[in-house]
Amino acid sequence: EIVLTQSPGTLSLSPGERATLSCRASQYVTSGHFAWYQQKPGQAPRLLIFDASTRATGIPVRFSGSGSGTDFTLTISRLEPEDTAIYYCQQHYNPPLTFGGGTKVEI
Amino acid sequence: EEQLVESGGGLVQPGKSLRLSCAASGFAFDDYAMHWVRQVPGKGLEWVSGISWNSNIIGYAESVKGRFTISRDNAKNSLHLQMNSLRAEDTALYFCAKDFRPLTTVTSADAFDVWGQGTKVTVSS
Repeated sequence: EIVLTQSPGTLSLSPGERATLSCRASQYVTSGHFAWYQQKPGQAPRLLIFDASTRATGIPVRFSGSGSGTDFTLTISRLEPEDTAIYYCQQHYNPPLTFGGGTKVEI
Repeated sequence: EEQLVESGGGLVQPGKSLRLSCAASGFAFDDYAMHWVRQVPGKGLEWVSGISWNSNIIGYAESVKGRFTISRDNAKNSLHLQMNSLRAEDTALYFCAKDFRPLTTVTSADAFDVWGQGTKVTVSS
């Protein structure tokens, strides 16, 4: 099973600042099988980034993804209050599909 | 609008069974792999099971293998999860989710672009 470790656990920043979220995989994951999700309280997760770096439909340009192999990053360039949420990474390269433990972003 | 609506959750005693359903609309259901993902309140996401568009390839998390069975009815645009021998640790909010691109399989799955709002399962005596 591929284990995804996200860091930091919590990120407390101010509006307009830059957020950098990390996700490290225990084994190689192809970029085409890596995604990021945003989940707000009481809501289902929302797909932000697929193929490691492609924004999903309707996702603002301030969200960007990068990385390959075992190290992936989600960057929020200029935080807005509505970005307060938990962010999860996911690999869908090898079953069982796995998610990281999440990074809570507080603004 | 692409939509998924789960149903069938509830309170059940340990060792009993429950069948979850997910009704899909707004997209060609029979073209897409589908999945169940669960979330314990206040905790992270756990993939439970997935099924390819044609039901040929199915996968399960180790924690549910042998107890849960995923199935789909493409004629009725519906996904199901039969949960047997339920345990307290199966208590969670269960989401169904759709693969982003068509004709993928569980062994070569995709990101999940559409999610339902979830159905709550509580296993307790």
